[in-house]
Amino acid sequence: AQSVTQLDSHVSVSEGTPVLLRCNYSSSYSPSLFWYVQHPNKGLQLLLKYTSAATLVKGINGFEAEFKKSETSFHLTKPSAHMSDAAEYFCVVTNDYKLSFGAGTTVTVRA
Amino acid sequence: SAVISQKPSRDICQRGTSLTIQCQVDSQVTMMFWYRQQPGQSLTLIATANQGSEATYESGFVIDKFPISRPNLTFSTLTVSNMSPEDSSIYLCSVTIPGKGGGYTFGSGTRLTVV
Repeated sequence: AQSVTQLDSHVSVSEGTPVLLRCNYSSSYSPSLFWYVQHPNKGLQLLLKYTSAATLVKGINGFEAEFKKSETSFHLTKPSAHMSDAAEYFCVVTNDYKLSFGAGTTVTVRA
Repeated sequence: SAVISQKPSRDICQRGTSLTIQCQVDSQVTMMFWYRQQPGQSLTLIATANQGSEATYESGFVIDKFPISRPNLTFSTLTVSNMSPEDSSIYLCSVTIPGKGGGYTFGSGTRLTVV
């Protein structure tokens, strides 16, 4: 069985400040983990993925995430938020081929 | 990564009718997946569609309500049958190509409103 818990339903940050989106996972086996972003009325875009290689994963648009097995976490960070980062973010886990999505975190960016 | 063309992008349908959603992939893939995203919610897997065999449905989804076709390795359809307002959602297809880094590509989604 696998599942994902996104610890924050909403995150609000000021432009230029760091962003932290928290994700904890549960998986019976070594998982693959992903972060996807969904802008309003847009499709899902892959930000980054962890597939048992380096534990610090760098993605697009300055995002990165660190896989911590001991904490079963895969938190997403960005050092400096931009207005265009306002969107819905999903943490996703799989250990076979079925994806399990977290409930999502809505990010708002204040000017 | 694969490119998926999904259509229609949106539709407004009368209750009791059916809508068929199509996904075309620009490369051959073994498995295609169909998801539902209800308003303000996350994505839920409806079924996995393998070419040449019947789709495998997740708990809470049945073939009579969501029949799926998979006639070849690049195409699949999902039908939402006998629709009610509760079926108003975004429906998305997805594929993964083994050996291509493990990522999953999603179609742009079909926004369905049932009135």
